[in-house]
Amino acid sequence: QQPVQSPQAVILREGEDAVINCSSSKALYSVHWYRQKHGEAPVFLMILLKGGEQKGHEKISASFNEKKQQSSLYLTASQLSYSGTYFCGTENFNKFYFGSGTKLNVKP
Amino acid sequence: NAGVTQTPKFRILKIGQSMTLQCAQDMNHNYMYWYRQDPGMGLKLIYYSVGAGITDKGEVPNGYNVSRSTTEDFPLRLELAAPSQTSVYFCASSYSTGLLNTEAFFGQGTRLTVV
Repeated sequence: QQPVQSPQAVILREGEDAVINCSSSKALYSVHWYRQKHGEAPVFLMILLKGGEQKGHEKISASFNEKKQQSSLYLTASQLSYSGTYFCGTENFNKFYFGSGTKLNVKP
Repeated sequence: NAGVTQTPKFRILKIGQSMTLQCAQDMNHNYMYWYRQDPGMGLKLIYYSVGAGITDKGEVPNGYNVSRSTTEDFPLRLELAAPSQTSVYFCASSYSTGLLNTEAFFGQGTRLTVV
């Protein structure tokens, strides 16, 4: 039921780009993306709906391919503040599931 | 607005004890969820509710119970605590499901240790 994320971890230098992938075995109507800083609660980044366009949030954007049941999160010109664990979330009959997370570490 | 409020923030329980984790939201959200997050892992859905009086199991409900007598409150009850229940517990709420383009708001978590 849970979506599958890859990679599990990424180490970047400031200014580098990263892509985080999320896929599901179930049909997807929407995908959420959240970021969690160490010791804190997850915080909403964006939602992508079936038939919707690619969304963006500062230099973080995402795409949603409902045919392939996949979503990707794009982090461009990463900043130190981007460090954290990124989760995708999907819904199946009112149950909201999260992927296992991708730990992103941005170094100076 | 307070958003989603969880209490307590930290708790140490002995094996076999019981406790209730409190969760309250002031956003008039219909949907509420309980997740547990083990160290370095993702969020696992324990129970969820789509409105007052309606609850259902998630992925890992064993050892837990919930109730939803009001829209605002969604307490999680642990009976006979076991070391395997050591985790961080997050409560979340949303106005509706992702189908209606609504985000989930999280509480700050309850860090529970069972010894």
